[in-house]
Amino acid sequence: EAGVAQSPRYKIIEKRQSVAFWCNPISGHATLYWYQQILGQGPKLLIQFQNNGVVDDSQLPKDRFSAERLKGVDSTLKIQPAKLEDSAVYLCASSQGQGIRSEEKLFFGSGTQLSVL
Amino acid sequence: DAKTTQPTSMDCAEGRAANLPCNHSTISGNEYVYWYRQIHSQGPQYIIHGLKNNETNEMASLIITEDRKSSTLILPHATLRDTAVYYCIVRVVGANNLFFGTGTRLTVIP
Repeated sequence: EAGVAQSPRYKIIEKRQSVAFWCNPISGHATLYWYQQILGQGPKLLIQFQNNGVVDDSQLPKDRFSAERLKGVDSTLKIQPAKLEDSAVYLCASSQGQGIRSEEKLFFGSGTQLSVL
Repeated sequence: DAKTTQPTSMDCAEGRAANLPCNHSTISGNEYVYWYRQIHSQGPQYIIHGLKNNETNEMASLIITEDRKSSTLILPHATLRDTAVYYCIVRVVGANNLFFGTGTRLTVIP
């Protein structure tokens, strides 16, 4: 079974530039998540999609971050404009279910490491 | 979701059992205990989860105390590839999200 695919693997940009990350979840997984992981910390949820609808974006800095999952499959996360504090690993995860069963497992990609200079 | 407390770091000799503790004293009856691990430069990987009973799979065993206020993840024969950050997470019924703390950094020593 193919895992969660993310690209690019690494990205270096200057502050105030824009950047986009792409994620392709495991085939058939209804729920998709974007997490931000700052060095030395655990991952923090940015946004959760169920099919192509947003379930939770309460932690997404909406003045600069946006995400979409238009066809309920792959997703993009964008930052515009980037700040120094956005330097982090951006992880995408997916799970099979519809958000009801508590025993769902999340499957993570390897992430995109963003450095903002 | 209930908070968890884990030691910051632990060492384990290769081939020995690694026992990783987790305190979750405010856990409620509908919250499961999950363990994930994150190997360097990779995303977190699911290990095991449980509600009340002890659980075992091909990766590890999970021992949950009777009062459910703490648990222990056991890797029976640690290898160098088990070096990683291990996260203990409690998760409410019906919630897909996982709230990660800072975890325990396990170093397996040759």
